[in-house]
Amino acid sequence: DTGVSQNPRHKITKRGQNVTFRCDPISEHNRLYWYRQTLGQGPEFLTYFQNEAQLEKSRLLSDRFSAERPKGSFSTLEIQRTEQGDSAMYLCASSLDGREQYFGPGTRLTVT
Amino acid sequence: GENVEQHPSTLSVQEGDSAVIKCTYSDSASNYFPWYKQELGKRPQLIIDIRSNVGEKKDQRIAVTLNKTAKHFSLHITETQPEDSAVYFCAASLSGGYNKLIFGAGTRLAVHP
Repeated sequence: DTGVSQNPRHKITKRGQNVTFRCDPISEHNRLYWYRQTLGQGPEFLTYFQNEAQLEKSRLLSDRFSAERPKGSFSTLEIQRTEQGDSAMYLCASSLDGREQYFGPGTRLTVT
Repeated sequence: GENVEQHPSTLSVQEGDSAVIKCTYSDSASNYFPWYKQELGKRPQLIIDIRSNVGEKKDQRIAVTLNKTAKHFSLHITETQPEDSAVYFCAASLSGGYNKLIFGAGTRLAVHP
């Protein structure tokens, strides 16, 4: 499968724990985006990278969230001190030079 | 900030009928408008997109129209089939899609045989 991949697909964690998600974009894509989707809503932008540079971060994003793309390939999204309100589907997308964004299958986070 | 409103939230049609979903956007500088289809438990899939230098684009049974003056765009599905049943999301972006997409809340389309 040469599409966008994400791991893990599901994560259950207790409130207050830290979690990390990984996204592997389509191999030649230089732009990588993170979105969050809650039930019945459209994806909500979190942050995006061009190669290894983080170019924009949503104002709604708490300081507990951090993302990296160290070598301009895969990316990680970390949430520290998780809260119940963090429960959502976390989607990653990639694109080549601002063309179409292709989404991964997502990581579903449940905070208990 | 940029906002996208999408209507209706649910749409039920008979197989073979047409379906129309409408979106309006707030930022007149938006210039890229994709549509995604999301089946239950699956990833959003791009089905068609349009850029602001084009008024209409068609791909088989799917078409999108854009009215820049009114700041709205629409998805038209003709000859609907049961496999068209899904949630459809419109989105808008500045800078031709180079940066973030702002999504509408989605339309749940049900096509009844």
